[in-house]
Amino acid sequence: DADVTQTPRNRITKTGKRIMLECSQTKGHDRMYWYRQDPGLGLRLIYYSFDVKDINKGEISDGYSVSRQAQAKFSLSLESAIPNQTALYFCATSEADNEQFFGPGTRLTVL
Amino acid sequence: GEDVEQSLFLSVREGDSSVINCTYTDSSSTYLYWYKQEPGAGLQLLTYIFSNMDMKQDQRLTVLLNKKDKHLSLRIADTQTGDSAIYFCAEGRTDSWGKLQFGAGTQVVVTP
Repeated sequence: DADVTQTPRNRITKTGKRIMLECSQTKGHDRMYWYRQDPGLGLRLIYYSFDVKDINKGEISDGYSVSRQAQAKFSLSLESAIPNQTALYFCATSEADNEQFFGPGTRLTVL
Repeated sequence: GEDVEQSLFLSVREGDSSVINCTYTDSSSTYLYWYKQEPGAGLQLLTYIFSNMDMKQDQRLTVLLNKKDKHLSLRIADTQTGDSAIYFCAEGRTDSWGKLQFGAGTQVVVTP
């Protein structure tokens, strides 16, 4: 089984809808991250969490919110989706300042 | 990732060596990483180098670091079709608490 899983893998939604992307990990890592990937822009950090009680904004947090329900779960929400949030979203985990392990990604399309 | 720059595309023939280049701006970076993304998949760590090293070799992969010029390169020897992917350079900074700054990625296409 994969160490970092994301659901759904693909989602098409309409402008104004609320969307939640979920991430689960079995690696036992405290740190979890949400990124979005856009062609030609690489990965940009949306939010990160160093433990269940710690949530921090990344470089592009506007329009997004997160919830760290447990050490193993970190959810990303779009309260009112807009077309420029169409992107590939990745969750990642790490142990301290070490390698980050990525999930398979969620492809989100906002019409 | 405006602080980490990479060329966007590289075409290489099967069997040749590939060299992917990256420049970064923060001299306090501690680790520099190379990640590989295959189509439809997440990123996988290929290799990394600590900032006090000049070179690291791991089988077909060689990482060179020029701290003076803030230049990082990844050389893949005997490039295979399975090496076709997007390669991301990323820097981890001492003041970033484990956050990484990624480049835009280099699309490597291996032709027969």
